[in-house]
Amino acid sequence: AQSVTQLDSQVPVFEEAPVELRCNYSSSVSVYLFWYVQYPNQGLQLLLKYLSGSTLVKGINGFEAEFNKSQTSFHLRKPSVHISDTAEYFCAVLAGTALIFGKGTTLSVSS
Amino acid sequence: DAGVIQSPRHEVTEMGQEVTLRCKPISGHNSLFWYRQTMMRGLELLIYFNNNVPIDDSGMPEDRFSAKMPNASFSTLKIQPSEPRDSAVYFCASRPPGADRYGYTFGSGTRLTVV
Repeated sequence: AQSVTQLDSQVPVFEEAPVELRCNYSSSVSVYLFWYVQYPNQGLQLLLKYLSGSTLVKGINGFEAEFNKSQTSFHLRKPSVHISDTAEYFCAVLAGTALIFGKGTTLSVSS
Repeated sequence: DAGVIQSPRHEVTEMGQEVTLRCKPISGHNSLFWYRQTMMRGLELLIYFNNNVPIDDSGMPEDRFSAKMPNASFSTLKIQPSEPRDSAVYFCASRPPGADRYGYTFGSGTRLTVV
C-alpha cells in the first residue's frame, strides 16, 4: 500500500530563514507526489507536484521540492520564508485514483 | 469559476441528530472526494465518486455515515445519528476527467461540532 510520512509535526523558523519540510513515501509502483498548503480556516491548495521528468519541481510562492527515488523522499524547501508562509503543509501520494495524505507539518514563521 | 462549494461552513448539532453536509463540485469535474480532517488522524479519505458512482467507500467509518451523488453537480454526506467523535472538518474535492495525476481542487470545508 502507498503511504507518506511527514517526519516533523511542527517546524518553527524565523522570517527570511530557509526551511525544509520532510516527506518520505512508500510505494512499489510509479509514484506521483504532491505538496498542498492549508492556511487557517481554508481548504487545501496545491503547491506543486511531481509526475515524472526533472526531479526538482518548482511550485507557487517560491517553494520547490526534490524527488529522490533512492531515499524515497520528496522534501519541500524554500530559501527564505515569510510570515505569510505560516500554514499547515501536507505531502500526498496518488494511490490508484485517490490522494493519500501525510499527517501534516505546521510551519510557524516568526519575526 | 466558483470552485468547489461546500455548505454549511460551520455546523453545530446535538448528539443523536442527523447532519447533512453538501458539496457542489466544479462544473465539468467528474470525480468527487470526501475527506475528514481531525487532529488525531489527519486527512482521511472517506469515499469517492466517479461519474456519480461510488467507487471506494472503504474509508467510511461506520454505517452511520452515508454519501450520495444524485447528479454531476451535487453530493451529500450524511451522518445519522451524529456522535461527538464525528466532530471534524469535512472537505470535498473534485477533479476533471483524465486528470488523475494532477491533484484535486478542494472546497473550504465544513467544520462540524457535535455536542
